[in-house]
Parts: sequence; structure tokens; C-alpha cells
Amino acid sequence: GAVVSQHPSWVICKSGTSVKIECRSLDFQATTMFWYRQFPKQSLMLMATSNEGSKATYEQGVEKDKFLINHASLTLSTLTVTSAHPEDSSFYICSAREAGPNQPQHFGDGTRLSIL
Amino acid sequence: AQSVTQPDIHITVSEGASLELRCNYSYGATPYLFWYVQSPGQGLQLLLKYFSGDTLVQGIKGFEAEFKRSQSSFNLRKPSVHWSDAAEYFCAVGAYNQGGKLIFGQGTELSVKP
Repeated sequence: GAVVSQHPSWVICKSGTSVKIECRSLDFQATTMFWYRQFPKQSLMLMATSNEGSKATYEQGVEKDKFLINHASLTLSTLTVTSAHPEDSSFYICSAREAGPNQPQHFGDGTRLSIL
Repeated sequence: AQSVTQPDIHITVSEGASLELRCNYSYGATPYLFWYVQSPGQGLQLLLKYFSGDTLVQGIKGFEAEFKRSQSSFNLRKPSVHWSDAAEYFCAVGAYNQGGKLIFGQGTELSVKP
């Protein structure tokens, strides 16, 4: 149980294009989803928290106009990297969490984004 | 300030040997604690979690962790390491009033030699 699917797993695109990453909870309802960015050999950096039906809450220093997050349903959240540039290249990971005080985050397999 | 420290960046153990990965946290509220494992190019998999009750918790893949409030620690252990355990391990701490947000440690890379 508690499977999170993230798609695509790898994307390469030209500078200036926008890229959408999907995060789906397959067998549970995710009232909260999280988006992280991870640089090589480093820990996870939380970018934003999204609750279903609400606007995402971004961490300090994360550009909300660059990283658009939508959480329109209890099983789907999307991250759109707008007008991507080489410095946006990274490993992006989503996680999903059910409602309740003792629920852990369950992670997707990540998306490797390479901007040429 | 909230923080999680994993003092060991990289650990190498022989296959079959015991393992202990250290985690120390600093958190004002009552914490809940997790250990996750990440294989290269993959997401994170939950190994175990602690919320309350018995301070020794059992997880998947033969791992266990012990919560010691007096030492602010939550060390991960395994009695006999397998080559497939080679991966990055992250300790994370959350709190009941943070909407499920977690703070991660820097991670410990585990290598297993034959």
C-alpha cells in the first residue's frame, strides 16, 4: 500500500520551455503533497507544501511564479517548471500524505530534469 | 531552531557485520521520527517510524531504531548487513503541529564491502 507514482522519471528539454511533473497517490487519498528538490549527494530541500483545493505554500527562496504547483484532487498534484533554464536542472521528488497526525510521507521515484 | 544531524556522511561496513547509523535531533515540540532509504536515482522508501510508545521500533528489511529522549537520538541499527543495503539513509523529524512537514538530516551513504 501507500504507492506514489511520479511521472515522467526523466525529461530533457530546451531552455525556455515549460515542464510539467505529475505526482499521483495510487491507493490512498493525499490531503497533503510535498515537492522537494535534491542536488547530487545532498539532502532533500523542501520547495512547497500543497493541500488539496488550496494554494501551495512555498518555502522561503522558492519562486512561486517559476514553480507552479496545482493540487486539484486528492490523488494528483503537479509541478510545472516554467521557462526552464539550465540552473533548474535537478532531481525533483514528490511525496504524499494522508490526513491525520501520525501519517508518514510516501515518496515518488523522482524526476530527473535536464535543461539544455 | 529545528534540526536533524546525521554525523556520519559515509560509512563502510563488511557484509554480515552489524550496522548503526546515528541521528540526533533538536526540536522543541514532541517529535515524531522517521528513517528513509534512497537508492541511486530513486525516491525515498520508509524504513520505520516512531510516534510514541515503545522506544524500540521495528521496520522493514530487518532494520530497527531506538528513540532516546535524553540523548535526542534516533539511531538506526541492523544486526547483519546485506550487500543490497548499500544506499543513502535519511533521518527525518516532524511535529504534530507542522502539517506533516519533515526536516531531513544530511544523509548517510552506506557502502557494503564483500
